[in-house]
Amino acid sequence: RKEVEQDPGPFNVPEGATVAFNCTYSNSASQSFFWYRQDCRKEPKLLMSVYSSGNEDGRFTAQLNRASQYISLLIRDSKLSDSATYLCVVTGNFNKFYFGSGTKLNVKP
Amino acid sequence: DTGVSQNPRHKITKRGQNVTFRCDPISEHNRLYWYRQTLGQGPEFLTYFQNEAQLEKSRLLSDRFSAERPKGSFSTLEIQRTEQGDSAMYLCASSLALDRVHTEAFFGQGTRLTVV
Repeated sequence: RKEVEQDPGPFNVPEGATVAFNCTYSNSASQSFFWYRQDCRKEPKLLMSVYSSGNEDGRFTAQLNRASQYISLLIRDSKLSDSATYLCVVTGNFNKFYFGSGTKLNVKP
Repeated sequence: DTGVSQNPRHKITKRGQNVTFRCDPISEHNRLYWYRQTLGQGPEFLTYFQNEAQLEKSRLLSDRFSAERPKGSFSTLEIQRTEQGDSAMYLCASSLALDRVHTEAFFGQGTRLTVV
């Protein structure tokens, strides 16, 4: 079983739509959780950390559910510029970073 | 620029040749990671260091791959006798891990390897 699993998508949504991604992780001892954004042929960049209490940054909201071992990312009022691959990242034993395979989002006019 | 730096950005090599990549992490970061990424996949863990110590190497990694971080600063990743299947983007990342404090990973722009 993979450490982190994501729906690869693609999610094709119109501008202005709300879209949500989920990600599940296998190690119940995981301590840190992140969402990264990766544009085509570029390096991953941190979008937001995910805290136990959940957190919001503008149009983006991240939630953590430790009991069910999943994290989510909600994007409201999608913009064309949100088109990218969103990577779920979880730290495991010895705080090693584990990446999901990514969820591709296409926002269309 | 105080981010993670990787060199070269692109490398084309003939099958069977050896290649070496370099990564300069953010200076105060004690953790350094190497990942490999192919199209449509997330980054795949290769190995990581805490300071100069190599803590883990992926079991998926053949003996043709070796990494060093001799002084706990920059790191090199060498691939010997390259094969076409080694063609990928090689990403380096660094982070700061101190007891309960652990920052996110910051990535370099990657080295894209093409084996012909």
